[in-house]
Amino acid sequence: GAVVSQHPSWVICKSGTSVKIECRSLDFQATTMFWYRQFPKQSLMLMATSNEGSKATYEQGVEKDKFLINHASLTLSTLTVTSAHPEDSSFYICSASPAAGDLQETQYFGPGTRLLVL
Amino acid sequence: SQKIEQNSEALNIQEGKTATLTCNYTNYSPAYLQWYRQDPGRGPVFLLLIRENEKEKRKERLKVTFDTTLKQSLFHITASQPADSATYLCALSDSWGKFQFGAGTQVVVTP
Repeated sequence: GAVVSQHPSWVICKSGTSVKIECRSLDFQATTMFWYRQFPKQSLMLMATSNEGSKATYEQGVEKDKFLINHASLTLSTLTVTSAHPEDSSFYICSASPAAGDLQETQYFGPGTRLLVL
Repeated sequence: SQKIEQNSEALNIQEGKTATLTCNYTNYSPAYLQWYRQDPGRGPVFLLLIRENEKEKRKERLKVTFDTTLKQSLFHITASQPADSATYLCALSDSWGKFQFGAGTQVVVTP
């Protein structure tokens, strides 16, 4: 149980285009989802916290107009990288917390999405 | 500012030995400390969680200790196997469930 999927697993796009990444909790309802990015050999950096039915909370330094987050249902959150540039190339990972249970104890991570912007 | 430090150098260890990884933190009072495994190109996989009022936790061949005075956690893999080769991440979370990750330590277990 507690499986989180991401789609696509990798994407290559041209500079200036927008890319949407989906994060789904497959067998549980997720009140909260988190979006991270990770550069090679670096730690996961939290970008934003996404709560179902409300606006996402962005970390300092993360442009909310650049990284649009929508948490439309208890099983789906999307991250859209708008007008992508080469510096947005990274590994994007989402995690999800169940609606019940301790938020701190149960974050389940997706497999990640590799984005390459040419 | 809050910092989480893990050994940046890879830990090379022979199969069967115990691997010990360190996670130190500063300017943080975590409610929970967690360890994850991450394979190349994959998302982290949860291994163990330890609470601030716990000293030690075990799960199969894994053991975690948590010393809030030293602000340090140790992660042990006993009887290591080549399949244990991966990067291991330490993560701290506060009572609101917000996570902060260390950069991870790569473990290489050779037969």
